[in-house]
Amino acid sequence: DAKTTQPNSMESNEEEPVHLPCNHSTISGTDYIHWYRQLPSQGPEYVIHGLTSNVNNRMASLAIAEDRKSSTLILHRATLRDAAVYYCTLCNDYKLSFGAGTTVTVRA
Amino acid sequence: NAGVMQNPRHLVRRRGQEARLRCSPMKGHSHVYWYRQLPEEGLKFMVYLQKENIIDESGMPKERFSAEFPKEGPSILRIQQVVRGDSAAYFCASSPPNSARRAGEQFFGPGTRLTVL
Repeated sequence: DAKTTQPNSMESNEEEPVHLPCNHSTISGTDYIHWYRQLPSQGPEYVIHGLTSNVNNRMASLAIAEDRKSSTLILHRATLRDAAVYYCTLCNDYKLSFGAGTTVTVRA
Repeated sequence: NAGVMQNPRHLVRRRGQEARLRCSPMKGHSHVYWYRQLPEEGLKFMVYLQKENIIDESGMPKERFSAEFPKEGPSILRIQQVVRGDSAAYFCASSPPNSARRAGEQFFGPGTRLTVL
């Protein structure tokens, strides 16, 4: 499995942006970068994915480095409901695999 | 539009008993995936099914575990003769029939938390 590295935790204030980094130096040319998040006692929730270009959707933005060895998930204005564990994962088929992720805490 | 449904949400079994976990995919979805989440190991793929077919079971333990997705009804993950090491959260996900295998998002259910005494 291609490996990703994320910080264990990150704190933010409500209404401020959150930048979540992910390193994936062993990414292959066919790997997509996926982000999911998981609230306590719930199933993972899809956030965003990309291959080479930066991506935006209603939940977040994904900035992908030119060499694709790292990416950053951007939550533009954090709310209390964004407090969750965020997983960055590489996928070149349907087999998702999550590590420990980054625990995001949002302060009111 | 109901999401992925799983039941039961919590299941307690004694060692040696059988556990049956059910998953109803989102309406219109024909691809089902089962995952296991252990506290220290993260989320791991177990099996990928389409209606009446097992596409990939490379993540399933070789013994005691089986999965099916019949033409009618929910997908079932069955664990025979459970042991304490089977205690985990089991998640089901689904995706629509035209989703790209590499790029498609998967929609997860709330999970079944299995505790083996």
